[in-house]
Amino acid sequence: DAGITQSPRHKVTETGTPVTLRCHQTENHRYMYWYRQDPGHGLRLIHYSYGVKDTDKGEVSDGYSVSRSKTEDFLLTLESATSSQTSVYFCAISGGGRFGYTFGSGTRLTVV
Amino acid sequence: DAKTTQPNSMESNEEEPVHLPCNHSTISGTDYIHWYRQLPSQGPEYVIHGLTSNVNNRMASLAIAEDRKSSTLILHRATLRDAAVYYCILTGDNYGQNFVFGPGTRLSVLP
Repeated sequence: DAGITQSPRHKVTETGTPVTLRCHQTENHRYMYWYRQDPGHGLRLIHYSYGVKDTDKGEVSDGYSVSRSKTEDFLLTLESATSSQTSVYFCAISGGGRFGYTFGSGTRLTVV
Repeated sequence: DAKTTQPNSMESNEEEPVHLPCNHSTISGTDYIHWYRQLPSQGPEYVIHGLTSNVNNRMASLAIAEDRKSSTLILHRATLRDAAVYYCILTGDNYGQNFVFGPGTRLSVLP
């Protein structure tokens, strides 16, 4: 209903395996973001995108990569998952600062 | 990046108005003031945003100081469902990378 969906909603994976989280939007917004949220740290920006194939790092980008091959999809990849990447991941979309930002429902990732 | 300062926590009684302050003394002329809230176990939720003038919507009101160095989110009649962490964020229109969260204000609503 909000025009943004994250998949999967929950995932358990083993240390050292690759993991890809998907954010899909139907709003045709230019900006897309990936955040992680951990107890005691709040929401921290991992990577963001300002257009197709245009991405940049946020404050906690080490160990993560992103890709945006089309407007509607923004993928977050953990090349080799570690236990420190156990977290809740949120995606957000926006048309720019003069508009509101919409957040997805989150993906709970557990690395064992 | 422009930064914001909010109290760590606030308390309110149910059905009373709540005024949540935010200081942003380094705001630039093109920065929008955004407010979001996060209920337990949910993603952040848009509340309101503005540039210079006060704004009202069905959820809340946003009062922006004349010099724009501070703003106040006003919940006119707090309900138990309004208990959440409230975030005040500044962002430019064309600089999406500036959308960075601080610790926010944890609002408790007492019945």
